[in-house]
Amino acid sequence: EIVMTQSPATLSVSPGEGVTLSCRASQSVNVNVVWYQQRPGQAPRLLVYGASIRATGIPDRFSGSGSGTEFTLTISSLQSEDFGIYYCQQYTNWPALTFGGGTKVEIK
Amino acid sequence: QMQLQESGPGLVKPSETLSLTCNVSGGSINSDSYYWGWIRQTPGKGLEWIGAIYHTGDTHFSPSLSSRVTMSVDGSKNHFSLNLHSVTAADTGVYYCARFYGGSGWGWGQGTLVTVSS
Repeated sequence: EIVMTQSPATLSVSPGEGVTLSCRASQSVNVNVVWYQQRPGQAPRLLVYGASIRATGIPDRFSGSGSGTEFTLTISSLQSEDFGIYYCQQYTNWPALTFGGGTKVEIK
Repeated sequence: QMQLQESGPGLVKPSETLSLTCNVSGGSINSDSYYWGWIRQTPGKGLEWIGAIYHTGDTHFSPSLSSRVTMSVDGSKNHFSLNLHSVTAADTGVYYCARFYGGSGWGWGQGTLVTVSS
């Protein structure tokens, strides 16, 4: 099973600042990675697929990059609605998939 | 716009079977484009993949849960179901159903809390 490791576990950020979240795969997953955002009390929402393609309706302050085993999600200027938990997920052997443990982005 | 909604008991006794249904509206579950998946979130933990089913009945399960999971799909009712057998307290959590296209979860239900307790 491919293991996805996210870092850091928690980020404390002020509104308006930029952040970069990391996700590492235990083996190459090419660009078969997605990122989700989960706000408190809500279901996850798809942000990015194919490592770098924003999903429909996602603001351009969100950008994904990476390939192989190293991936990042960058939020260029945090808005109040961006605080929550972010998960990466790989699907290189779809329909098998695995999630990362999540990075919590909290208000500083 | 396709929407998903989980339903089922919120309380299950240990050793019994957790049964949930996901109703799909705004589109057909018989689409060739999608797999229909189940994911859970246990207390203090992140997201855990349970498995997925195609409209033909083809299934794929997480290796860690495969011995206890069954899934089914009903095209006439436009819903799909999850059965998790022999549950313990460790199975307590929020269970989500989701629509997957090419490995990406494009639409999720709101989630349903299931507590395993006697």
